[in-house]
Amino acid sequence: KAGVTQTPRYLIKTRGQQVTLSCSPISGHRSVSWYQQTPGQGLQFLFEYFSETQRNKGNFPGRFSGRQFSNSRSEMNVSTLELGDSALYLCASSREGYEQYFGPGTRLTVT
Amino acid sequence: KNEVEQSPQNLTAQEGEFITINCSYSVGISALHWLQQHPGGGIVSLFMLSSGKKKHGRLIATINIQEKHSSLHITASHPRDSAVYICAVRWGETSGSRLTFGEGTQLTVNP
Repeated sequence: KAGVTQTPRYLIKTRGQQVTLSCSPISGHRSVSWYQQTPGQGLQFLFEYFSETQRNKGNFPGRFSGRQFSNSRSEMNVSTLELGDSALYLCASSREGYEQYFGPGTRLTVT
Repeated sequence: KNEVEQSPQNLTAQEGEFITINCSYSVGISALHWLQQHPGGGIVSLFMLSSGKKKHGRLIATINIQEKHSSLHITASHPRDSAVYICAVRWGETSGSRLTFGEGTQLTVNP
């Protein structure tokens, strides 16, 4: 069974640009959660999608958005990038109420 | 404020030693996860538990719901166990798959 995949793995962007990250969950998993990891703040929840609906949202500005498609694949978008958005972005998929499986992450560097 | 606290932050052990990492949380939860993160960022889910004790190989996780406390034990530690271990909780059924994380414990096992 294929694991969670994330693309791209590495990304370098300039301040003010926007970026889209993609996450393909394990087959059969309808829940996809996104997390941001930085050295200063640790791991923080961004949002969760379940059956194409955003079910939970963390405490991040509106520049951070996401969506989920009918095949459960999810994308997150960050607009007007700031230096502080440099982080490892992780997605995780799960069946409802079960443990989460994490992808390898996308390392975003904003210069 | 819902919080998750881990201790110790850093732990150095000799190969073969018994290791314990602790996690405390502030209010009732629906599930607690123990995660392992290796250099490079990939996160592996070790355990998800809501009561009692689970064992997988040399790893044992316990949770005391009344005391709001969980422990992760590693028996006969090995250098390949060197990683960051992260405790994460799901606060309630309405939280969906949203996780709140502890700061992590950096474990180094020397040969």
